[in-house]
Amino acid sequence: DAGVIQSPRHEVTEMGQEVTLRCKPISGHDYLFWYRQTMMRGLELLIYFNNNVPIDDSGMPEDRFSAKMPNASFSTLKIQPSEPRDSAVYFCASSRQTGSSYNEQFFGPGTRLTVL
Amino acid sequence: KQEVTQIPAALSVPEGENLVLNCSFTDSAIYNLQWFRQDPGKGLTSLLLIQSSQREQTSGRLNASLDKSSGRSTLYIAASQPGDSATYLCAVGNFGNEKLTFGTGTRLTIIP
Repeated sequence: DAGVIQSPRHEVTEMGQEVTLRCKPISGHDYLFWYRQTMMRGLELLIYFNNNVPIDDSGMPEDRFSAKMPNASFSTLKIQPSEPRDSAVYFCASSRQTGSSYNEQFFGPGTRLTVL
Repeated sequence: KQEVTQIPAALSVPEGENLVLNCSFTDSAIYNLQWFRQDPGKGLTSLLLIQSSQREQTSGRLNASLDKSSGRSTLYIAASQPGDSATYLCAVGNFGNEKLTFGTGTRLTIIP
């Protein structure tokens, strides 16, 4: 398996522009997670999906952020409008539900976002 | 609210030594704990996952232990190598959801 795939790997944009980050989870996984990593706050969970349905979006910082999962193999995280404080590395992760509820999460390589 | 702490933030040891990384958490009602490795500019690689019913897990030179009652986990690395240099993060999963709460990590440097 190719693992979790994210694109683009790097994104530089200007304040006010729309940014869309993409993720393809591991085939067969039914949970998908979006995280943000910064030096100041470490790794933070933004939102997660189960079987394409958003379960918990309490970590989404504000209305400028939105996430969708139209099918089992694709998810997007959109920021509109972007601000310099959104600069961070955004990770996508996926896991497979097991009967024992200890789902191991597998991470993608991340998208490094810089908002000027 | 679960809080996860990793001390020290950075550690340097000579090659060949055995070492222990520490992780502590405030809420003992966990269902798993996962150790990750992160290389500079890269994503996270899962190293070991311990279920709440387990006390330890081993993979090669790595051994992770879990003591829920004291809110602690350790990652033991035997016979360290320069390739072990990376940041190590622990993450705790609580009952009732699939969320992981991450520690801030320990940056490990193995000196050749």
